Amino acid sequence: NAGVMQNPRHLVRRRGQEARLRCSPMKGHSHVYWYRQLPEEGLKFMVYLQKENIIDESGMPKERFSAEFPKEGPSILRIQQVVRGDSAAYFCASSTGQGFGPIIKQYFGPGTRLTVT
Amino acid sequence: RKEVEQDPGPFNVPEGATVAFNCTYSNSASQSFFWYRQDCRKEPKLLMSVYSSGNEDGRFTAQLNRASQYISLLIRDSKLSDSATYLCVSSYNQGGKLIFGQGTELSVKP
Repeated sequence: NAGVMQNPRHLVRRRGQEARLRCSPMKGHSHVYWYRQLPEEGLKFMVYLQKENIIDESGMPKERFSAEFPKEGPSILRIQQVVRGDSAAYFCASSTGQGFGPIIKQYFGPGTRLTVT
Repeated sequence: RKEVEQDPGPFNVPEGATVAFNCTYSNSASQSFFWYRQDCRKEPKLLMSVYSSGNEDGRFTAQLNRASQYISLLIRDSKLSDSATYLCVSSYNQGGKLIFGQGTELSVKP
């Protein structure tokens, strides 16, 4: 399966613990995006990364959240000291990049459902 | 005001019906537009890009009116499998972050 892969699919954490969500982009894609969908809400952009570089983090909460996309390995979204309000579905998407010209499409992974107890 | 606004529905239609969804966007700098579908809050799946000249893919037709900042999706001959939430999406630049509407829920009944 050459699609976007995310793991774990389900993650349960107690308040105050750390959550690490992983995303491997589609083959041939070098750009990764993280989105969050809170219960009963729409999808909201969090962060956009290229290998070893954060392109746009305008949607990231100021504290406790960080993201990276190292030269080797998957992209990681890290949430420190989780709170109940962090319970949501976290989706990763990937694309070939940005610019002008043909429309660049983003393809989504199956998501990680984070539950904070 | 939300950047991308959609009628949340639900739209309940019989099989074979034609249904239209509308969407408006507030930022005139938006460059790219898409329709995604989401089943039971699973991952969004790209349905189609939306071009200024309008475009069609089988039973689905998308239209964009930049002057009115309005996007539409028409589904002809609805199937039971079309039941899903349809997400109107914009982007400021190619490959940049996607801005999602709240989604319009469609339920196609036998």
